[in-house]
Amino acid sequence: GEDVEQSLFLSVREGDSSVINCTYTDSSSTYLYWYKQEPGAGLQLLTYIFSNMDMKQDQRLTVLLNKKDKHLSLRIADTQTGDSAIYFCAVLITSGTYKYIFGTGTRLKVLA
Amino acid sequence: ETGVTQTPRHLVMGMTNKKSLKCEQHLGHNAMYWYKQSAKKPLELMFVYSLEERVENNSVPSRFSPECPNSSHLFLHLHTLQPEDSALYLCASSRGSGNEQFFGPGTRLTVL
Repeated sequence: GEDVEQSLFLSVREGDSSVINCTYTDSSSTYLYWYKQEPGAGLQLLTYIFSNMDMKQDQRLTVLLNKKDKHLSLRIADTQTGDSAIYFCAVLITSGTYKYIFGTGTRLKVLA
Repeated sequence: ETGVTQTPRHLVMGMTNKKSLKCEQHLGHNAMYWYKQSAKKPLELMFVYSLEERVENNSVPSRFSPECPNSSHLFLHLHTLQPEDSALYLCASSRGSGNEQFFGPGTRLTVL
């Protein structure tokens, strides 16, 4: 079955780079997404990458996709305390009906 | 401003109560979703409505009953819930069922 996995926690110091990793099992994933959830709020779409791309950069965010290893990562440059949140990886599978599969989320803690 | 609102933001109910959660989207989307978010678990997709018709129901217990009267509104009717149903319930919408989803802030539900 489809599965999306992430590590549960990550701590970094303010100003350092953060790298949040995600692995998935279904090779028919077409779009891959990163969402951010701040305390008491819903999920906010941060960025996404289409499966025929290797990399996408958007200001401080860099998304890397290794399709062969089914590995997705989100790098946040110059991490700030405001980046502390839970980050969810999600994949869109389009074989048959459309299906979104979310990971468990990675809680990022930025230390001042 | 995400364009997706949910009310109430917090709800405490007894196991014998009947209550409803409401979601409204102002984005012109035609697909809406209910998710359940429990601690340390992946987001669980409960229901999907596309063009106001339910297209997916992941075998959710019948004590949860969705209603989608039009493309802008989505309800989740709750009846005789169990304490393990306590969670954050998130609503999302998208333009078509295969595009990125925009989330509301969620309703934090506590069942006593």
